[in-house]
Amino acid sequence: GQQLNQSPQSMFIQEGEDVSMNCTSSSIFNTWLWYKQEPGEGPVLLIALYKAGELTSNGRLTAQFGITRKDSFLNISASIPSDVGIYFCAGRQTGANNLFFGTGTRLTVIP
Amino acid sequence: GAGVSQSPSNKVTEKGKDVELRCDPISGHTALYWYRQRLGQGLEFLIYFQGNSAPDKSGLPSDRFSAERTGESVSTLTIQRTQQEDSAVYLCASSWRGWGETQYFGPGTRLLVL
Repeated sequence: GQQLNQSPQSMFIQEGEDVSMNCTSSSIFNTWLWYKQEPGEGPVLLIALYKAGELTSNGRLTAQFGITRKDSFLNISASIPSDVGIYFCAGRQTGANNLFFGTGTRLTVIP
Repeated sequence: GAGVSQSPSNKVTEKGKDVELRCDPISGHTALYWYRQRLGQGLEFLIYFQGNSAPDKSGLPSDRFSAERTGESVSTLTIQRTQQEDSAVYLCASSWRGWGETQYFGPGTRLLVL
């Protein structure tokens, strides 16, 4: 299957700092999604991107669909303790049914 | 107004036994998905149901895995003759229609095969 390379694998940051993580693929995707998963829960959709170059914000979160359609990034500004969790990117190819997920970025926010 | 629910929340079984995992999607959602999440990994697509269409089984890893869905409601994922490598969290999601829609995930079933 497709490989989505997500980095970094983990981050330890101080409360108030900004966070940046990204996802790259060897193939073109027509949709990029960013999810957050907290312990014992299923992933929750944060942001969905549908067009190359699209930049979308959701509160302190901002995500972009790369121009090449092979990458996406997620930024979190002014992190707070409740941002802790695992962030997954996911992508979908044209004409395909399934989503491919990255391996996740585990975020720890130190108060 | 419940979200997606799954049962059991945890399951410990012995190698070689069969297990059944249940998913109750959000009422009115016609699409249902099963994923597997191994420790420290992302989600791996298993199977997709959409209304009365034939399911997309392209993600099932072996013939020991099967799933059924009753109409547009409950789904059961069955793993026969479980192996230790089947140990994972099995997540179910549903959406209003198909793949282009937002998927809402359940909390998952944590399966441990001893």
